[in-house]
Amino acid sequence: NAGVTQTPKFRVLKTGQSMTLLCAQDMNHEYMYWYRQDPGMGLRLIHYSVGEGTTAKGEVPDGYNVSRLKKQNFLLGLESAAPSQTSVYFCASTGDGDTQYFGPGTRLTVL
Amino acid sequence: KQEVTQIPAALSVPEGENLVLNCSFTDSAIYNLQWFRQDPGKGLTSLLLIQSSQREQTSGRLNASLDKSSGRSTLYIAASQPGDSATYLCAVRGGGFKTIFGAGTRLFVKA
Repeated sequence: NAGVTQTPKFRVLKTGQSMTLLCAQDMNHEYMYWYRQDPGMGLRLIHYSVGEGTTAKGEVPDGYNVSRLKKQNFLLGLESAAPSQTSVYFCASTGDGDTQYFGPGTRLTVL
Repeated sequence: KQEVTQIPAALSVPEGENLVLNCSFTDSAIYNLQWFRQDPGKGLTSLLLIQSSQREQTSGRLNASLDKSSGRSTLYIAASQPGDSATYLCAVRGGGFKTIFGAGTRLFVKA
């Protein structure tokens, strides 16, 4: 099992550009999450999904959209990137056991 | 609003020492608490998950305790090794699916 994978690993955007981050899990987990990690602030929940076709807002959802069209995939979109969205983005998933499994992260820089 | 604090922010110990990392939270109405390890530039790895009805969990040289009434959890690491050097994160899940993370304790074990 690959666990949780994220694409891409690194990305540099200019202000105003758009992009989509892909998260995939092969553990048949129902619940998936997107977090951002910033120095000194810990991880903060952006959006989450409790199953295929569902999404919900987390702690810091503004400027992001998500979709869960397939159970194994959770997409995070930035429609118009801003420098404040420079961060490391982590995807996680949870099955029945409540343990969160994390992907390796995507390092995004917005110039 | 739930707040999670980890003290100390950084810790340096000689190899072989037993050590305790602390996590405190402001709202005792939690669903579970999870300890993670994060290596530089990597994702998070779950170490121990304690459900709200449990007092402690153990895995190898690691022991995590939970005291909901006082809003505290500790992670005890026995006989520390240089390979234990990493950042340790505490995460509290309340009602729903939102998990609040502490900022972490950066541990350095000297050989």
